[in-house]
Formats: sequence, structure tokens, C-alpha cells
Amino acid sequence: NAGVTQTPKFQVLKTGQSMTLQCAQDMNHNSMYWYRQDPGMGLRLIYYSASEGTTDKGEVPNGYNVSRLNKREFSLRLESAAPSQTSVYFCASRETSGTLYEQYFGPGTRLTVT
Amino acid sequence: DAKTTQPPSMDCAEGRAANLPCNHSTISGNEYVYWYRQIHSQGPQYIIHGLKNNETNEMASLIITEDRKSSTLILPHATLRDTAVYYCIVRVATGGSQGNLIFGKGTKLSVKP
Repeated sequence: NAGVTQTPKFQVLKTGQSMTLQCAQDMNHNSMYWYRQDPGMGLRLIYYSASEGTTDKGEVPNGYNVSRLNKREFSLRLESAAPSQTSVYFCASRETSGTLYEQYFGPGTRLTVT
Repeated sequence: DAKTTQPPSMDCAEGRAANLPCNHSTISGNEYVYWYRQIHSQGPQYIIHGLKNNETNEMASLIITEDRKSSTLILPHATLRDTAVYYCIVRVATGGSQGNLIFGKGTKLSVKP
């Protein structure tokens, strides 16, 4: 199993450009998440998807949109990139049944907006 | 979810036990204590969790005080590869919808040769 995969690993954008960050998981998990991590900070939730076909805003959703394409894939789109969106973006997934609260994280996408 | 307090940094000698404390004085009865770690530039990794009793797995041990207001993560024989930021997170165990983790700044553990 690959776990959670993210593409691209690195990206540089100019202000105003758009891009989509891709995330896929092969663990048949229901829930998927997008976080951002700024230097020296903990992770902050951008959007999440409890199940295929549903998405909800997290703590810092402004400037982003998401699509839960199917159970495996959850993409994050920046419509008009701004320097404040320079960050490392992590995708995560988890199974929603049971009591174990274990999220599996991808390797991250390092985004720089100039 | 209850807030947690962790020291910003700690050092540990290679081969010795690393004891990472976490304060969660406002924890509720149905909230679990979870520990994650983040090795430089990688995504966070689950380590262990517990409710009341002490827990041990192949990675670490978790000691929770009887009043549940604090806990300690123990790495019994720290190696250089254990150098990472360690996050203590308190939340309700739920199979429900949102279920995101709230990360603070964690403790940066430096294991030195």
C-alpha cells in the first residue's frame, strides 16, 4: 500500500496564478483532510471531507476550494494564489468507524507564491 | 477539545530514555490523549493514544496521571532518528464526521550523540 500520496512535491507560483494540489489514499478511508503548516507552526485545517460527496470548511478555508472526486481522491485548488498561501500543505485520511483516532498523512506539497 | 501545554524544546542523549511531558488540565472524561510526531519535512505520524491507563506499543509508552491532567510520552531508548517535533493532542474519540486534529506547536526533541 502506498498510503497517502500527494502531487506535486514542490511548486512555485506567481501571485494570481491558479493550481490544484492532488491527494489520493489507498486505504479505503472515508474521511480526508487538507491542512497547511506555516514555518514554526502547528498544522491548521483548511477543508475536510467526511465521506465521498461531502466537504466542509475548516479553520482557514479562505482562498481555497476542494473537490472530493471519489472515495480515493481529494483535491485542493487555489484559484488566485497569494504570497500568504506560501506554506506546506498536507493531506490526511482516516477511517471514521471505531474509536481509534489515527490520521495518516501524506508527504506534503511545498508551495511558494512570489 | 481540551488545550494542551508542552515545553517548546528538549534534548536527550542517544540511547537514553526521552520523557516528553504534556499538560492538559481541562481534559474531559471522554477525551483521549494522542501523541503524534513530525520528523523534519515529513507528514505527522501517529505514535500512541490512551484514555486512563498507561499504554505501550512498539514505538513508545504513554503514562497518564490518575487525575488525567497531565501525561508523559516515553521513548525508552532514543535514537538520532527520533529527533522530531512531538505533538500532544487531546480530543474526543469519535467515529463522527469532522474529527480533525488540533495541533499546537509541540515539543522539538533533539537527540544528541
